[in-house]
Amino acid sequence: SSELTQDPAVSVALGQTVRITCQGDSLRSYYASWYQQKPGQAPVLVIYGKNNRPSGIPDRFSGSSSGNTASLTITGAQAEDEADYYCNSRDSSGNSRVFGGGTKLTVL
Amino acid sequence: EVQLVESGGGLIQPGGSLRLSCAASGFTVSSNYMSWVRQAPGKGLEWVSVIYSGGSTYYADSVKGRFTISRDNSKNTLYLQMNSLRAEDTAVYYCARESYYYDSSGYYYYYGMDVWGQGTTVTVSS
Repeated sequence: SSELTQDPAVSVALGQTVRITCQGDSLRSYYASWYQQKPGQAPVLVIYGKNNRPSGIPDRFSGSSSGNTASLTITGAQAEDEADYYCNSRDSSGNSRVFGGGTKLTVL
Repeated sequence: EVQLVESGGGLIQPGGSLRLSCAASGFTVSSNYMSWVRQAPGKGLEWVSVIYSGGSTYYADSVKGRFTISRDNSKNTLYLQMNSLRAEDTAVYYCARESYYYDSSGYYYYYGMDVWGQGTTVTVSS
């Protein structure tokens, strides 16, 4: 198996830009997907593949990747973006999946 | 409407067994890759198991040999049979549909989990 590492917490001022990162060896081979989870709710997919947003996800969310690091960027963070964010990928074996530990985003 | 609805959670003693169900609507379970993901109280997401459309199954090391993923095509339902339950299995269990793409060479791109159920709570305690 492999691991994905995220910073536990990040904060951003309202309207500013924030980047949440995810590191792991499997990211050299596989795309990361990103999820937003608010308290008491199921996760919601916000970014998948190279940089794709599911229908209904605002275009202020974007993704990128370099080497073993994937990033989720929120450009112009809104109060409603305050949530936990998780990255996810196939693991090094290709058949299992792995989640990062999550990043709690606070919008100030 | 595409939807997943889990059921079957509850309070169970250590060493006991439980079967979770995940009823799908708006799409066909057997034509998709389906995963179970869990979240312990106050903790992050943990992938548990996946079943591919062809029937292959894979498990996290933490549940291998104890949990079994399966599906009933006639009921369009995904299952997770959980045996030898431990306190550390206490969590909200989510089922999720996976999104993917196969290119012309047969390589498949994993695009994450695009549909999630609302979760069902499993508590393992004496």
